[in-house]
Amino acid sequence: DPKIIQKPKYLVAVTGSEKILICEQYLGHNAMYWYRQSAKKPLEFMFSYSYQKLMDNQTASSRFQPQSSKKNHLDLQITALKPDDSATYFCASRDRGSSAETLYFGSGTRLTVL
Amino acid sequence: GDSVTQTEGQVALSEEDFLTIHCNYSASGYPALFWYVQYPGEGPQFLFRASRDKEKGSSRGFEATYNKEATSFHLQKASVQESDSAVYYCALSGNTGNYKYVFGAGTRLKVIA
Repeated sequence: DPKIIQKPKYLVAVTGSEKILICEQYLGHNAMYWYRQSAKKPLEFMFSYSYQKLMDNQTASSRFQPQSSKKNHLDLQITALKPDDSATYFCASRDRGSSAETLYFGSGTRLTVL
Repeated sequence: GDSVTQTEGQVALSEEDFLTIHCNYSASGYPALFWYVQYPGEGPQFLFRASRDKEKGSSRGFEATYNKEATSFHLQKASVQESDSAVYYCALSGNTGNYKYVFGAGTRLKVIA
């Protein structure tokens, strides 16, 4: 059974619209991340959260807003979508014990913006 | 900032060939180093890690040794199989407070039977 659930697996949106990408992890981890993967920039770090608080934000645009309603949830809201936002978005998590802790990934949400 | 460089963008081999994928890093302090593998339609999967100089990580016949002097963590496998075809990512986790993971650009391995 997948321990990091991302929904939906595929998403098609029109330019200018807003979408929410869902992520739930059942590994008992206290740190969660979002990464983006596209042909231009493989596995680009976006955000990290620990105990539901933002730790690091490498996304320049405020159109990307993480939302953490529970400690095992980290959704990603994207507003005013652009074709350049087309990518696969991966949620990941780990136990925030040390830098040697392994990062585990979900299977991704593939977003296409028309 | 921290960075990871993978020299090979694509590698094509025949079954039973020897594999080397080069990985060099730049980071302050003493990062942990990782290899991940990604199959089509899936997220990256942890392969193995090393967290100190001269430590060897290994899994499924793949191995790499942490070389702090050369700032390298090269992936090797003695005899590849068609099922090893995938994208391989080298990564580091720095020892700053946020423990951000930085990934290399990835190396696409294609093994021909």
